[in-house]
Amino acid sequence: AQSVTQLGSHVSVSEGALVLLRCNYSSSVPPYLFWYVQYPNQGLQLLLKYTTGATLVKGINGFEAEFKKSETSFHLTKPSAHMSDAAEYFCAVSHTGRRALTFGSGTRLQVQP
Amino acid sequence: DSGVTQTPKHLITATGQRVTLRCSPRSGDLSVYWYQQSLDQGLQFLIQYYNGEERAKGNILERFSAQQFPDLHSELNLSSLELGDSALYFCASSAGSNQPQHFGDGTRLSIL
Repeated sequence: AQSVTQLGSHVSVSEGALVLLRCNYSSSVPPYLFWYVQYPNQGLQLLLKYTTGATLVKGINGFEAEFKKSETSFHLTKPSAHMSDAAEYFCAVSHTGRRALTFGSGTRLQVQP
Repeated sequence: DSGVTQTPKHLITATGQRVTLRCSPRSGDLSVYWYQQSLDQGLQFLIQYYNGEERAKGNILERFSAQQFPDLHSELNLSSLELGDSALYFCASSAGSNQPQHFGDGTRLSIL
């Protein structure tokens, strides 16, 4: 079985500040890890993914995440928050034997001017 | 635009009724996934089809069923609807085993 825990259902940062959204996963086999973003009344948009290879993954809109196997983590970061980053962010896990995504409960990011 | 099309965008119906949600995957994607997003359960995987065949099942109720047609579009059928079925239903498609899933904008189902 696999699971995802996102610490913090709500995160608030100031514009220009560092964004850090936390994700820890549980998987009995090597995981594939994803971050998706959901804007109001829209579907989920892929930010970035880790399958194999380089553990630091760069995505769209300046986001990146680092796969740390020893910590079973895949935290999402962005050096400088922009107002347009306000949205809900979901971490998800799958693996070769189960392609369906298991999602975390989501973190709502608020960006203060 | 993800390339995944879901219709209708909104659906309002009553308890006990039956509805069909439709999904057209991205061109060339053989896999289709259905997910349910609700306030109390979050995002949950329902069912996956690959090239017309059921590949995996998640937390899908017996009142729900799905199929994927030869042209690769998929339909999710929900019957004997209950108030608790009110949710956002997403379809996603992917090209292959290591490829990410791309999501449609969802169908918002409201049961009155």
